[in-house]
Amino acid sequence: NAGVTQTPKFRVLKTGQSMTLLCAQDMNHEYMYWYRQDPGMGLRLIHYSVGEGTTAKGEVPDGYNVSRLKKQNFLLGLESAAPSQTSVYFCASSYGRDSGTDTQYFGPGTRLTVL
Amino acid sequence: AQSVTQLDSQVPVFEEAPVELRCNYSSSVSVYLFWYVQYPNQGLQLLLKYLSGSTLVKGINGFEAEFNKSQTSFHLRKPSVHISDTAEYFCAVSDPDTGRRALTFGSGTRLQVQP
Repeated sequence: NAGVTQTPKFRVLKTGQSMTLLCAQDMNHEYMYWYRQDPGMGLRLIHYSVGEGTTAKGEVPDGYNVSRLKKQNFLLGLESAAPSQTSVYFCASSYGRDSGTDTQYFGPGTRLTVL
Repeated sequence: AQSVTQLDSQVPVFEEAPVELRCNYSSSVSVYLFWYVQYPNQGLQLLLKYLSGSTLVKGINGFEAEFNKSQTSFHLRKPSVHISDTAEYFCAVSDPDTGRRALTFGSGTRLQVQP
C-alpha cells in the first residue's frame, strides 16, 4: 500500500516549456487535490477533483490544467512554465464526503524550478 | 472567503519545554478544524482534527488542541517537546466556499526544538 505517490520528485524547466506532474493513489479515494507550497504562504489549492472525469478550480488555478481520466490518477499540467510557478507541488487525496470531515493524505511533493 | 491565521511563523523552544502554536480562523459558521505536520522533506500528515463534541482534541505524538468558538481559535499544545518534534505545523479549516470539499491552510509555524 503505497498511499499517494508523485512523479517526478524534482524538475527544472526553462520558461515556456511544458510538463505534466503525475499523482497516483491506491486507497480508492474519490477526491484528489493539487496544492502549491511557497515560503510563508502555506498550501494553496490549485485544482481539485471529486471523482473520475471531474475537475474544479481552486484558489490559484491560472497557468495550470488538470485531468482525472482514471480514479487513481490526477495529472497537473503546465502548458507554458513561468518563473512564478517555481514551487513545491503536493498532491493529496481523501475518501470523498462533502461534509468536510475527511482526512487528506499527502504525497511527498515535487520540487519544480522554472528558470 | 475563509481564512486561517497562524500568527507565529517560527517558534524556538528548548527540549522538554511546553509549547503552544496559535491558530485563528475567520468563519462564523460551523467549522471543522485540522492540524497537519510536515517533517523536513516530507508531505503533510494529520496530527488531529476537531469535528464536534469535546472541545479538547487529542492527537498523535502527545499533541492536543482546544477549540474555542467564542475566540475562533484552535491552538495546538504539547506539554513537553522532543527534538523529533522539529517540523512545520499547519492549521487548516474545511472550506465552505468549496462546498467543504477542500481545505484552507494557514501559512504555517516552524517549530524548532533545541537541545
